[in-house]
Amino acid sequence: DVKVTQSSRYLVKRTGEKVFLECVQDMDHENMFWYRQDPGLGLRLIYFSYDVKMKEKGDIPEGYSVSREKKERFSLILESASTNQTSMYLCASSLTRGRGRDTEAFFGQGTRLTVV
Amino acid sequence: AQSVTQLDSQVPVFEEAPVELRCNYSSSVSVYLFWYVQYPNQGLQLLLKYLSGSTLVESINGFEAEFNKSQTSFHLRKPSVHISDTAEYFCAVSNFGNEKLTFGTGTRLTIIP
Repeated sequence: DVKVTQSSRYLVKRTGEKVFLECVQDMDHENMFWYRQDPGLGLRLIYFSYDVKMKEKGDIPEGYSVSREKKERFSLILESASTNQTSMYLCASSLTRGRGRDTEAFFGQGTRLTVV
Repeated sequence: AQSVTQLDSQVPVFEEAPVELRCNYSSSVSVYLFWYVQYPNQGLQLLLKYLSGSTLVESINGFEAEFNKSQTSFHLRKPSVHISDTAEYFCAVSNFGNEKLTFGTGTRLTIIP
């Protein structure tokens, strides 16, 4: 089974802190994603990466950055946390299509981040 | 650009009654469509997907969805719901040649005993 593991289920951080959210997948997937989930807004894409050291901005990248130094690990960084970044953060991974195989995105359990 | 609209934020349904959760998408190119389900305090898991071929797709727990290109819809249906179907359901779309996955705002399905 594909496993996407997020390092923390719950985090509480102070305003202005630098925050790292870590995500690891064990199925050699090329693509990795970071979403935030807020009530009434669904999942919004922050960043995604289709290869090591490659990244693309999603729909709401402001205030965030990412790092992908190894294929299995994708980190989301909040450079200076603010209260409006309090949210549920979901990591996902998928294979690249075009290899004759169906693909789907597999999700981690989520990290609920509270910024106080 | 691609987008997904789920018009119903909450749908209450009596147990054993049928249900339809609506999803409409917008895209300028060919699409792949997905329904994900999120049970309370859990991550998202794939319920069913349309990539190509038959426009009617089914899940192992009795849900089905039909891809309708002319109406740009991918509505999710189940003929008889159970308490265990209580969850939030998300419709998602991605385009041919682009791995980016765009989600709708979700529909919370509540089953009334």
